[in-house]
Amino acid sequence: DTGVSQNPRHKITKRGQNVTFRCDPISEHNRLYWYRQTLGQGPEFLTYFQNEAQLEKSRLLSDRFSAERPKGSFSTLEIQRTEQGDSAMYLCASSLGSVPERGYTFGSGTRLTVV
Amino acid sequence: GENVEQHPSTLSVQEGDSAVIKCTYSDSASNYFPWYKQELGKRPQLIIDIRSNVGEKKDQRIAVTLNKTAKHFSLHITETQPEDSAVYFCAASSSGYALNFGKGTSLLVTP
Repeated sequence: DTGVSQNPRHKITKRGQNVTFRCDPISEHNRLYWYRQTLGQGPEFLTYFQNEAQLEKSRLLSDRFSAERPKGSFSTLEIQRTEQGDSAMYLCASSLGSVPERGYTFGSGTRLTVV
Repeated sequence: GENVEQHPSTLSVQEGDSAVIKCTYSDSASNYFPWYKQELGKRPQLIIDIRSNVGEKKDQRIAVTLNKTAKHFSLHITETQPEDSAVYFCAASSSGYALNFGKGTSLLVTP
């Protein structure tokens, strides 16, 4: 396990469909984060978990977005009833401890295209 | 919430010259300031970070300075090489979990 793994790398879906992305963090990392990055912008924080607990979700973009980390290991991000504006790169990151202590390691992302 | 401004949006330098990217932040409680490098189609990679109890940090050709009073921090790359070409993002954190990113600087190093 050499890094944060995200699947799939690319996803094309029709508007109105549901999509789910998976993130496998670095195994010893207890914190997992989801970000969205649109073209020409920096990553935008969505939510994070400490072990299996979702400690911040107020910045999820709408109620169509939800995330889980049921066993404190991998996480899934689901978008229901996708819209064209959801097209973006979805990045996952993980850390051991808080951000100022250790910093983040990002995965390579899942690029979503809604047609 | 935290607002991070980054300048310039694009920067072109000749190989061997220095490059400087500047960021300002709004939340005086911010205490962690990382810099990420993102090559096209790849993940953001942490290249250097600084915490609020330190004014400057250096790692080989890369250095970061922090001015807490003015709420700004800068990335300095010396002796630039073509492989330094990428998009660079600054970020700030006051929460201990969320990073607030700037919009990025596209750096081009020409041979």
